[in-house]
Amino acid sequence: SAVISQKPSRDICQRGTSLTIQCQVDSQVTMMFWYRQQPGQSLTLIATANQGSEATYESGFVIDKFPISRPNLTFSTLTVSNMSPEDSSIYLCSVPQGARGYTFGSGTRLTVV
Amino acid sequence: KNQVEQSPQSLIILEGKNCTLQCNYTVSPFSNLRWYKQDTGRGPVSLTIMTFSENTKSNGRYTATLDADTKQSSLHITASQLSDSASYICVVVDKLIFGTGTRLQVFP
Repeated sequence: SAVISQKPSRDICQRGTSLTIQCQVDSQVTMMFWYRQQPGQSLTLIATANQGSEATYESGFVIDKFPISRPNLTFSTLTVSNMSPEDSSIYLCSVPQGARGYTFGSGTRLTVV
Repeated sequence: KNQVEQSPQSLIILEGKNCTLQCNYTVSPFSNLRWYKQDTGRGPVSLTIMTFSENTKSNGRYTATLDADTKQSSLHITASQLSDSASYICVVVDKLIFGTGTRLQVFP
């Protein structure tokens, strides 16, 4: 199955700043997904990143707040912009693996102070 | 409304004991459901997948069941180990709807 390297693993950021999270996959994948997991909550899909086209955002998430890049089939970034304490969460990327389901990155634990 | 609900929210058991985690879903259409294990600070890792036609599937000490009529799935862990301490998440794959998870703690 694919191996995903997600960086950074954690960060503490000042409100009003932005953080860019990276996911590098060891194989080419058409789709990559970005999730948010708030404390004690389930994973919530933020957007689907497709190479060569704009990301598709789920209800409640907008491009201005969570811009996504997908320059090639092995890499994607998610930026959390103009952060507030409410953005404190774990952010995860994942890629579909057919019958094996989805492989997830190890997550980025973000704390906004 | 498409939902995936899990119970209990948290569970504490002693090492060596068995436990069963529950997942109820109201997602349509439905074709398959996965159970994931998420260690603290890590991404979820797939344990097993259940399609609507399957009733039981085992993966080592993990056994998942599915009742498509009642829209319920369970994950049974046999002879628990300390390393089983984690959150277990049920996911209806068709719509990528995740349950809130059950946090399991195994004590020696």
